[in-house]
Amino acid sequence: DIQMTQSPSSVSASIGDRVTITCRASQDIYSWLAWYQQKPGKPPKLLIYTSSSLQSGVPSRFSGSGSGTDFTLTISSLQPEDFGTYYCHQSNSFPITFGQGTRLEIE
Amino acid sequence: QVQLQESGPGLVKPSETLSLTCTVSGDSISNYYWSWIRQPAGKGLEWIGRIYPSGSTNYNPSLKSRVTMSLDTSKNQFSLKLSSVTAADTAVYYCARESGVTGTRPDCWGQGTLVTVSS
Repeated sequence: DIQMTQSPSSVSASIGDRVTITCRASQDIYSWLAWYQQKPGKPPKLLIYTSSSLQSGVPSRFSGSGSGTDFTLTISSLQPEDFGTYYCHQSNSFPITFGQGTRLEIE
Repeated sequence: QVQLQESGPGLVKPSETLSLTCTVSGDSISNYYWSWIRQPAGKGLEWIGRIYPSGSTNYNPSLKSRVTMSLDTSKNQFSLKLSSVTAADTAVYYCARESGVTGTRPDCWGQGTLVTVSS
């Protein structure tokens, strides 16, 4: 199985801050990486797919980059509604796996 | 706009079979791949498996011996069965639509249904 390791596990930031979350795959997954945001009691919401493509309707302050084994999700200017837990997801090979999550709190 | 809704018993006894159905509205299940994903309380996401329009499947090896997925195109539904459940199978179960010819990813999710395994 491909292990997906996110860092940090949690982060606290202020409104307007630039926030970066990283995801490292245990083997090459090319660009087959997606990012999700999940709020308590809700299903995950797709933000980014194929590493850097912005899902329709997602604000442009969200961006993704990377290929191979190292990936990054960046929020350029943190907004109050961006709190939640963020997960990376690889679809390069079965079984599909997710990162363990990064909890983002607003200071 | 596609919508997915999970349904099924919220309580299952140990050693019995968990059965869930996902009803899809706003799109045909023949047009996409479909998956089940679960999340124990306070924990991360675990992919259970995927079913294709043909009815073929891919399962997580960790669950493969206990999982069966199926389609019912007449009802626009797909289903999950997980046998011999234990307390470790207690989780919120999500059904999801998967999009993308390559880099397929869940892009539309049901609200999730909590299944508790307890006697």
